[in-house]
Amino acid sequence: DIQMTQSPSSLSASVGDRVTITCQASQDISNYLNWYQQKPGKAPKLLIYDASILETGVPSRFSGSGSGTDFTFTISSLQPEDIATYSCQHHDRLPWTFGQGTKVEIK
Amino acid sequence: QVQLQESGPGLVRPSETLSLTCTVSGGSLSSYYWSWFRQPPGKRLEWIGYIYHSGSTKYNPSLKSRVTISVDTSKNQFSLKLNSVTTADTAVYYCARTGYSGSDFNSWGQGALVTVSS
Repeated sequence: DIQMTQSPSSLSASVGDRVTITCQASQDISNYLNWYQQKPGKAPKLLIYDASILETGVPSRFSGSGSGTDFTFTISSLQPEDIATYSCQHHDRLPWTFGQGTKVEIK
Repeated sequence: QVQLQESGPGLVRPSETLSLTCTVSGGSLSSYYWSWFRQPPGKRLEWIGYIYHSGSTKYNPSLKSRVTISVDTSKNQFSLKLNSVTTADTAVYYCARTGYSGSDFNSWGQGALVTVSS
């Protein structure tokens, strides 16, 4: 199985700050990488697919980059409604696997 | 956008079979792969397996010996059965539309908490 490792596991930032989360795959997954937002008690919401493509309706302050084994997810200006856990997931081959999640809080 | 809703018992006894159904509305099961995921408390999401409308399936090797996913296209539903459950199977179970394009993963059910306890 491909292992997905996110960093950090949690972070605290102020409203308006730039927030960056990294995700590393244990093998080359090309750009087959999704990013999700998950709020407590809610289902995962797809934000970015294929590493850098913004899902329809998702605010442009969210972005993603990377390919191969190293990926980055960025919130350009953190908003109060962005408080959530963010997870990466590869869909290069089965079994699809997820990162452990990064919990984003407001300082 | 298609909507998904999980249903089934919230409590299952150890060694018994967990059964959940996902009802899809706003679209048909044709095309796409229809998956089950789970998330134990405080842990990462785990893909359990998927079914195509034709009935072909793929399962996570870690659960393959205990999992069966089936489809009922007449009811626009697909189902999960996980047998011989233990407390380690306690989790929120999600059904979702998936596929081999990243954008296919944009429709999820709200999740169903299943607790395994005697």
